Amino acid sequence: DAKTTQPNSMESNEEEPVHLPCNHSTISGTDYIHWYRQLPSQGPEYVIHGLTSNVNNRMASLAIAEDRKSSTLILHRATLRDAAVYYCILRDIQGSARQLTFGSGTQLTVLP
Amino acid sequence: NAGVMQNPRHLVRRRGQEARLRCSPMKGHSHVYWYRQLPEEGLKFMVYLQKENIIDESGMPKERFSAEFPKEGPSILRIQQVVRGDSAAYFCASSQGVPSSYNEQFFGPGTRLTVL
Repeated sequence: DAKTTQPNSMESNEEEPVHLPCNHSTISGTDYIHWYRQLPSQGPEYVIHGLTSNVNNRMASLAIAEDRKSSTLILHRATLRDAAVYYCILRDIQGSARQLTFGSGTQLTVLP
Repeated sequence: NAGVMQNPRHLVRRRGQEARLRCSPMKGHSHVYWYRQLPEEGLKFMVYLQKENIIDESGMPKERFSAEFPKEGPSILRIQQVVRGDSAAYFCASSQGVPSSYNEQFFGPGTRLTVL
């Protein structure tokens, strides 16, 4: 799977929007962009995924650049419960690998 | 509608002992993955299993580690003759159907192994 680059850490104020960036300049045409997050002392949980179009769900929005070389996870109103490590992961739909390849992610701190 | 279950949540072993970690996937899921997270690091894939079959064990250490997912019962990750370097959080995930780029994996709460 292609590599992703994320900032090590970000801070946000409670109830404000948060934009978490991810660069994936070597993304292939068959790579899906997935986001997972890991709250303290818990297992990762799925947040959202997309291929080309922007995506919205109850947790977040995913904005994908037109050239697909970067994407942004948007939390519309951060809460203290959103403090977690956020992982941007590419998965090749045609690849044989089934596992998720986690990088170091972005540690999000939400300030009250 | 229980999620992925792992037990024990915490396991303490002395060097040289065996550790057995159990994972019950979500109902209807027949695909199980094991990941290891060393302190201050990201998760690393270990092994992917379907019922009674190991599909991909490319991330599993060659010695002392084994995994199974029998026809009946939970998946087991077994670590023989544990060493201090095995201290980590071990996470199990499950998915349904044929894994693909758009099948999400559901993770359990993890087992935190401490080797004294």
